[in-house]
Amino acid sequence: DAGITQSPRHKVTETGTPVTLRCHQTENHRYMYWYRQDPGHGLRLIHYSYGVKDTDKGEVSDGYSVSRSKTEDFLLTLESATSSQTSVYFCAIIGDSSGNTIYFGEGSWLTVV
Amino acid sequence: GQQVMQIPQYQHVQEGEDFTTYCNSSTTLSNIQWYKQRPGGHPVFLIQLVKSGEVKKQKRLTFQFGEAKKNSSLHITATQTTDVGTYFCAGPSGTYKYIFGTGTRLKVLA
Repeated sequence: DAGITQSPRHKVTETGTPVTLRCHQTENHRYMYWYRQDPGHGLRLIHYSYGVKDTDKGEVSDGYSVSRSKTEDFLLTLESATSSQTSVYFCAIIGDSSGNTIYFGEGSWLTVV
Repeated sequence: GQQVMQIPQYQHVQEGEDFTTYCNSSTTLSNIQWYKQRPGGHPVFLIQLVKSGEVKKQKRLTFQFGEAKKNSSLHITATQTTDVGTYFCAGPSGTYKYIFGTGTRLKVLA
């Protein structure tokens, strides 16, 4: 599974509170991604990183920020959570040695009430 | 912007029936990938197609890349209960960035 760990795996939070999801990888991959999954929308890219301190926006970046201060950690922050951000969040990496294969973490289920 | 759509969104089949999901991109793709996500799980890579008109098989699964490299299909012959899940296609959207299709959720009735 490319050594990807997401935390927390499940979280319930209140509207307006900040939330940070963590993605940790152990295999020194350069590219890391945050996707959200919602019924009818598939997997949508929120933000991605192509190196330490190098990040860029994806399709649905509004309301989210990211940081990557170390190769192994990619953090996703919801500055002020809203109910529309209730979703399943997946971290992913591209396996450098395997070409373009994308490996996903186990997912983080976030509910904003 | 670039879009990747899949149809159908849902499909219920009786065990033993065939199943096909179609993936359509608004732009030409250099390659296309397919992933399977079991209920409650995370997407797992199945295959990548690169050439125009390419057809690849994995046991009961047949994957095809269109001649214009804008569409693809996944066909499952004689579905089994183990085929249950959501199937996604994905295509490149810039360097090392992939856009995923909307997914087809397959339910197999025993």
